[in-house]
Amino acid sequence: DAGITQSPRHKVTETGTPVTLRCHQTENHRYMYWYRQDPGHGLRLIHYSYGVKDTDKGEVSDGYSVSRSKTEDFLLTLESATSSQTSVYFCAISEPSYNEQFFGPGTRLTVL
Amino acid sequence: AQSVTQLGSHVSVSEGALVLLRCNYSSSVPPYLFWYVQYPNQGLQLLLKYTSAATLVKGINGFEAEFKKSETSFHLTKPSAHMRDAAEYFCAVSDSNAGKSTFGDGTTLTVKP
Repeated sequence: DAGITQSPRHKVTETGTPVTLRCHQTENHRYMYWYRQDPGHGLRLIHYSYGVKDTDKGEVSDGYSVSRSKTEDFLLTLESATSSQTSVYFCAISEPSYNEQFFGPGTRLTVL
Repeated sequence: AQSVTQLGSHVSVSEGALVLLRCNYSSSVPPYLFWYVQYPNQGLQLLLKYTSAATLVKGINGFEAEFKKSETSFHLTKPSAHMRDAAEYFCAVSDSNAGKSTFGDGTTLTVKP
């Protein structure tokens, strides 16, 4: 498996609290992505990064922010969690020379 | 703009039967196309990819897919299903230079004994 870890793997939080999910890679890949997976919707891109301090919005970015201060870490923050953000979150990495993505194991987030 | 449509959210086959999972794509540039597999409580793993070389692509676990430009399709097949093939399968399309992929909604494959 590609060296991608996500933390925490499971989290239960309450509406209105801030939450930060971490993605860490040891592959030195330039591109990193955050997706959410919900039944019937496949994977939807939240934010992505093409390098350190180079991030952009995906199709479902409202309510989320990201930061990438090092190649290996990509943080996803929910400033004020809502129940609609209950989901499984996946991080992925890739290199520009090929477009396939390698996925982390996922974080299951429940917002009560 | 790129998009992917996977026909059939659930497919059920008997063990030993042919597996056919359908994917149609839309892309404004020559696409990269992928099939990923997701086993329960895991992340996605690459099954195979098309990158404008051979139109028939062979992947892991006996799967293959054929790129048909005229039909804008990239259907996934396996001649003989095995119980371990039960999983969710995602088709994805990527612009050749942008890196981002668009994923279909997924097809859950059930294999009956």
